[in-house]
Parts: sequence; C-alpha cells; structure tokens
Amino acid sequence: DIQMTQSPSSLSASVGDRVTITCRASQSISSYLNWYQQKPGKAPKLLIYAASSLKSGVPSRFSGSGSGTDFSLTISSLQPEDVATYYCQQSYSSGFTFGQGTKLEIK
Amino acid sequence: QVQLVQSGAEVKKPGASVKVSCKASGYSFISYGITWVRQAPGQGLEWMGWISAYNNNTNYVQKFQGRVTMTTDTSTSTAYMELRSLRSDDTAVYYCARVSLLMGIVEFDYWGQGTLVTVSS
Repeated sequence: DIQMTQSPSSLSASVGDRVTITCRASQSISSYLNWYQQKPGKAPKLLIYAASSLKSGVPSRFSGSGSGTDFSLTISSLQPEDVATYYCQQSYSSGFTFGQGTKLEIK
Repeated sequence: QVQLVQSGAEVKKPGASVKVSCKASGYSFISYGITWVRQAPGQGLEWMGWISAYNNNTNYVQKFQGRVTMTTDTSTSTAYMELRSLRSDDTAVYYCARVSLLMGIVEFDYWGQGTLVTVSS
C-alpha cells in the first residue's frame, strides 16, 4: 500500500499568515492527490483534487501544488475559519490512503 | 443539492454486527460510487472500501476483508455498510461519501454527516 506522510502534525499561525502543509507519498502517484479539510465535529470537505485543482466554492486563498511524491497545500492568508485538520489522500491506487492529518490552529 | 444522510448512532456489544445506511439524494445514484471512511476518537481518517452503485463491484481494504459488506439499493438510492464481529477498536464515526470518477480522477466529493458506532460490553 502507498503510505502518505504529512508534515507538520500540528501548526499554529497568526491570522493573515501564509501557511504551507506538505504531504509525501511512499512512491510516485503522479498528480493523483486530494486535500480535505475537517472542522471539529464535522465531516471532511474536499478542497483540492488532482493536486492543484480547486473544488468549486472553495476560497481562492487555498492552493495545491506538486507531483510525483511531494505535494503541498498553501493557504495564502490564514483566516479564523480555517481552523481545522487537513488531510491529504492519494487516489493513484485503489488503496486511497489518507495522510495522518495536520491540525491547524490560530496563534 | 447533493445530500447523503446517514442512520443514527449505534451501541453494540463485542462480537455483534452493525449495519449503517446512507441515503443519497440530489443526483443520479447509479452514476457514482459510495465509499466508507471511519474515524476513531481523536484519530485520523481510515478508508474502508467502496462500492459502485452502477454494477455493485466492491473494493475492500484488506484489513476489513471478511468482516465488511457494502451494498446498495438503487430503488431507494441507499448504500449500506455492515461490519461484523465487532471489537472495541471498531468504535468510531463512520462516514459515507460519494465517489466521483472522471478521467481517472477519483474524488470523495460529498460526505454524510457521520454515524457514531460504539462497541462496549
């Protein structure tokens, strides 16, 4: 199975900061990488698909990049409503594994 | 609008089975798949498998092979996930999500609200 490793596991930043979360795959997954946001007590929400495509309705401050084994999710200007845990997920092979998550808090 | 509405919370004893439902609306049910993802308390997301609502083909994570069965009822646009031989470490919130497959891109694009399954003696 393909393993997905996110870093950092947790992150504290100030409103307005640029925030970057990284995700590494144990083997090349081309651009088959999704990012999800999960707010406390809620179901996950798809933010980015195919590594860099923004899901309709998602604010443009979110962006994704990368291919192969290394990927990143960037929030250009952190807002209070972005407090959540973020997960990457590979969709290259039918294991569809998730990263362990990155918990984002406001400083 | 697309909605997935799951059944209510369950409390089960070790060794029992649980069957969680996921009723879809707002789209053509047979044009998409349904996947199941669980989340133990304070833990991350764990993918369990998925089912095509078109042809009922399934793909289960090896860890759950033999204990899980995913089915659909196209007459009611409802998906089901049954987990048998429950253990305490199966205590989790179980989510269903719609699987969108377009040009090789797989997305879990709409999610149910989650169903808490508690396994306790």
